[in-house]
Amino acid sequence: QKEVEQDPGPLSVPEGAIVSLNCTYSNSAFQYFMWYRQYSRKGPELLMYTYSSGNKEDGRFTAQVDKSSKYISLFIRDSQPSDSATYLCAMSVYGGATNKLIFGTGTLLAVQP
Amino acid sequence: GAVVSQHPSRVICKSGTSVKIECRSLDFQATTMFWYRQFPKQSLMLMATSNEGSKATYEQGVEKDKFLINHASLTLSTLTVTSAHPEDSSFYICSARPIAGPSTDTQYFGPGTRLTVL
Repeated sequence: QKEVEQDPGPLSVPEGAIVSLNCTYSNSAFQYFMWYRQYSRKGPELLMYTYSSGNKEDGRFTAQVDKSSKYISLFIRDSQPSDSATYLCAMSVYGGATNKLIFGTGTLLAVQP
Repeated sequence: GAVVSQHPSRVICKSGTSVKIECRSLDFQATTMFWYRQFPKQSLMLMATSNEGSKATYEQGVEKDKFLINHASLTLSTLTVTSAHPEDSSFYICSARPIAGPSTDTQYFGPGTRLTVL
């Protein structure tokens, strides 16, 4: 079993839709959670990071963490064609010597105009 | 803020030559930088962790003599692919972890370097 599981998609939605992207993990030691957006042939761009259970909102993006269920989500409201990209969840064990990030495989999202 | 640059963005070389890729944190200092490799439609694979002033830590299966890493300052790490072969063709991405501030547990990524070995 992989430490981090993420539905690879592709996920296709119409413009304006609410998008839900999800990851599950098996290592209860993970304390720090991130979402990255990666456009084709570009490096990942940090969207959200959080280290507590609950919701964190930033504009059209909401990150949700449920540590009891080992489940994290990223919601995108009023999705735009410019949101079309691959979304990667990542997590790490807080306080680890190197704080290596463990990535999900990424979900490819296409927002249709 | 939190900008990481990579140079070159794209490089094509002949088999057997060596290629150096630079990774710089432009507006913050980073004691730790990471080097990843990404194949098409796949996630990032961590190659090595680079710490300023000390030897890099390589992930299992990554040849340290082939992928030389130098982290000479708090803003610069380099990856040299020695005696490159076509199977080394890939997208190489670096990231840097800030030494201070509210986000020392996250990583900021560079734009990547596409290496093609003929």
